[in-house]
Amino acid sequence: AQSVTQLGSHVSVSEGALVLLRCNYSSSVPPYLFWYVQYPNQGLQLLLKYTSAATLVKGINGFEAEFKKSETSFHLTKPSAHMSDAAEYFCAVSETGTGGFKTIFGAGTRLFVKA
Amino acid sequence: NAGVMQNPRHLVRRRGQEARLRCSPMKGHSHVYWYRQLPEEGLKFMVYLQKENIIDESGMPKERFSAEFPKEGPSILRIQQVVRGDSAAYFCASSPGGPIKNTEAFFGQGTRLTVV
Repeated sequence: AQSVTQLGSHVSVSEGALVLLRCNYSSSVPPYLFWYVQYPNQGLQLLLKYTSAATLVKGINGFEAEFKKSETSFHLTKPSAHMSDAAEYFCAVSETGTGGFKTIFGAGTRLFVKA
Repeated sequence: NAGVMQNPRHLVRRRGQEARLRCSPMKGHSHVYWYRQLPEEGLKFMVYLQKENIIDESGMPKERFSAEFPKEGPSILRIQQVVRGDSAAYFCASSPGGPIKNTEAFFGQGTRLTVV
């Protein structure tokens, strides 16, 4: 079965600093990977997805992620953090199941942005 | 095109009562997924349904929990005889389904269940 590991349940950065949220996956087949963001008391919003095209994926709000097969990683980055980026971020992988596909989530990383 | 609609947004139940959570998928989506998010935790898969069929319920507790997605109407997640440990946010997601496995799931706003 596929799985996702997010390193660091909490990450704190200063406003304007680089954001790096780590995600490693395990999969025996080419994976389909996603990053979602969750703001307080909200549902999940898709930031970006990797679907075996370009290894560097650009998403909304200035985020991007790079798929590295050799490292089985899909880390999320943003060059300059903004206060509005404070939220919970989830890495996810699409898993083949009976009759279709389901999304498996990592435990999440809560991002704090300091002024 | 309305997104995934969940209701109610907040639900309070006393221990022993039943909770019914509803999810209307996006128009044209025939696949529905339910996830549970406990406080300070990530999302845990519960069940995956297509119209009138349960495809994967490997994440559902064996007792008190059930889900359905009828031919007409919303998907329902039902929790019987709720206990305090059932207090959580329950999220529904939908996707077009089919063979396109890179299609992301679209999430509703969630139902926050509080058992008192």
